[in-house]
Amino acid sequence: GQNIDQPTEMTATEGAIVQINCTYQTSGFNGLFWYQQHAGEAPTFLSYNVLDGLEEKGRFSSFLSRSKGYSYLLLKELQMKDSASYLCAAGDSNYQLIWGAGTKLIIKP
Amino acid sequence: GAVVSQHPSRVICKSGTSVKIECRSLDFQATTMFWYRQFPKQSLMLMATSNEGSKATYEQGVEKDKFLINHASLTLSTLTVTSAHPEDSSFYICSAGLAENEQFFGPGTRLTVL
Repeated sequence: GQNIDQPTEMTATEGAIVQINCTYQTSGFNGLFWYQQHAGEAPTFLSYNVLDGLEEKGRFSSFLSRSKGYSYLLLKELQMKDSASYLCAAGDSNYQLIWGAGTKLIIKP
Repeated sequence: GAVVSQHPSRVICKSGTSVKIECRSLDFQATTMFWYRQFPKQSLMLMATSNEGSKATYEQGVEKDKFLINHASLTLSTLTVTSAHPEDSSFYICSAGLAENEQFFGPGTRLTVL
């Protein structure tokens, strides 16, 4: 079956670094996405990985290991506005996104 | 980046009425649009895949006669919730595919059925 696992909730301190992990099992694989979703809003795109390795984009980085079915989103220099849910999604062989349940990130001052 | 709009952003209706939600890709043509539903504190659930000029493909468990989807042009898809009931109250989000496996989301429509 197809499955995405990520932690339900994480807490971090303003200014610190946090890593949100995601493991996936899909029928075929066409990339791993990370989205940010603030309460009451639609998701916004953060990153896309299709090759192994680390993609850095400002304070956010995303890593993929296809052999391990594993990805993480790394957030540096955390700000209060980073408090949100972070959704991991994997593209399957039909190019449909399989969504994780999301990780709620709580930032404390 | 690609922009997707949705209208209305919020709608409150009485039980038994029908509600139409529009999804538009503003600066690109989308042959495929996706409709999602999201209940509070839950992840997105794909309802259907809408292809321009053809019938939508519905996910298992989604009633196609209740959730009517029309994709009349490359920039517009509509979702009509027919005979809405309180259990249909949810956050409905569309996304449009710019390329394979790349989706841009609309801002969502909050539906409340009284």
